[in-house]
Amino acid sequence: NAGVTQTPKFQVLKTGQSMTLQCAQDMNHNSMYWYRQDPGMGLRLIYYSASEGTTDKGEVPNGYNVSRLNKREFSLRLESAAPSQTSVYFCASSFLGSGELFFGEGSRLTVL
Amino acid sequence: AQSVTQLDSQVPVFEEAPVELRCNYSSSVSVYLFWYVQYPNQGLQLLLKYLSGSTLVESINGFEAEFNKSQTSFHLRKPSVHISDTAEYFCAVSDGGGGADGLTFGKGTHLIIQP
Repeated sequence: NAGVTQTPKFQVLKTGQSMTLQCAQDMNHNSMYWYRQDPGMGLRLIYYSASEGTTDKGEVPNGYNVSRLNKREFSLRLESAAPSQTSVYFCASSFLGSGELFFGEGSRLTVL
Repeated sequence: AQSVTQLDSQVPVFEEAPVELRCNYSSSVSVYLFWYVQYPNQGLQLLLKYLSGSTLVESINGFEAEFNKSQTSFHLRKPSVHISDTAEYFCAVSDGGGGADGLTFGKGTHLIIQP
């Protein structure tokens, strides 16, 4: 059982480049999330999708866009990467309202 | 908005000694509380959760946490730690009203087990 799968696991970008992080879950969850993890900051919510067809901003949405492609997939796009977006990104999913999140293994992004 | 405070960024402890990782959250009418563990270079895994009912919750690997509403705390304890418990531990809270806006995490506590 794959759970939550993120790609790519590692990426190096130059300032101004764009890229998309992909996330897919096979647990039939309604809700999906993108977090970033920075040293000493814990995890901060970027965007979430409560259910297919809806997306909402989290705590730190600036510089990011998301697409809920279908029930399984939720992508995160950086249109013009900045060094401040160097981070580890985690995708997660859950049943609506359960509160319990299941996480992917993370995508480590470095912006030079 | 909810907030979570983990008072210690790092806790060193000797193997087989007891440990407590502290967590306080901002007050709300009802909350769900969680502890997640992150081993090096991995994602987060659920360790235990409090949704309702008994205020003492346990995990399968010997950790326990107690929900204290009056002190708005959810401290994590283990009576005897093992070297394999070395990891980052995150306390998290969500609105118990069933919303879908995810979890609010604390900044994490790095548990360092010394042989």
